[in-house]
Amino acid sequence: GESVGLHLPTLSVQEGDNSIINCAYSNSASDYFIWYKQESGKGPQFIIDIRSNMDKRQGQRVTVLLNKTVKHLSLQIAATQPGDSAVYFCAEKSGGNKLTFGTGTQLKVEL
Amino acid sequence: DSGVTQTPKHLITATGQRVTLRCSPRSGDLSVYWYQQSLDQGLQFLIQYYNGEERAKGNILERFSAQQFPDLHSELNLSSLELGDSALYFCASTGSLATNEKLFFGSGTQLSVL
Repeated sequence: GESVGLHLPTLSVQEGDNSIINCAYSNSASDYFIWYKQESGKGPQFIIDIRSNMDKRQGQRVTVLLNKTVKHLSLQIAATQPGDSAVYFCAEKSGGNKLTFGTGTQLKVEL
Repeated sequence: DSGVTQTPKHLITATGQRVTLRCSPRSGDLSVYWYQQSLDQGLQFLIQYYNGEERAKGNILERFSAQQFPDLHSELNLSSLELGDSALYFCASTGSLATNEKLFFGSGTQLSVL
């Protein structure tokens, strides 16, 4: 079940398809961004990060895109697998060191 | 396993009571953060400590307090508990105060106030 009971946006994808999860951030001074994955009953787990001087960064099966002009961040997951089912949060850092989290997106992978 | 340890995993208590949540950061990490995750508020930053000193405060109620000890473990104290304090409380740690230091989260303490 969902680890966060908010009315979360939900993205349903077929196994093997690519997933794109979007996030709009609020602070134009934010200089560091992170994507976290949270499975039910667990704490947020780091996926990938990007600094504001970059617009794209790739990891293993994941890519983060940053568009500072419109303050938009996206996470792309290639060949989505059942184990990718979770809530995904984007987070931003500005000035100090606290992370401000978005409300999350529930990703459901259908077999 | 993130390396961050939180105890207890579950805590059930009554309104008006006081509880203490404990966090051991990853080995070598100096900075500890506390977050609250509730059904209607998402992940909310509460407070941050670095090497024993408070560094940043977020949406932490006056009934809540925290500290970081010389061995770097941290405790979050919640008093005069109300039903609305029921939530998941996460601790996270990182090694320094550098902007691009990612946080590693523990598994959380589920607090239920009845």
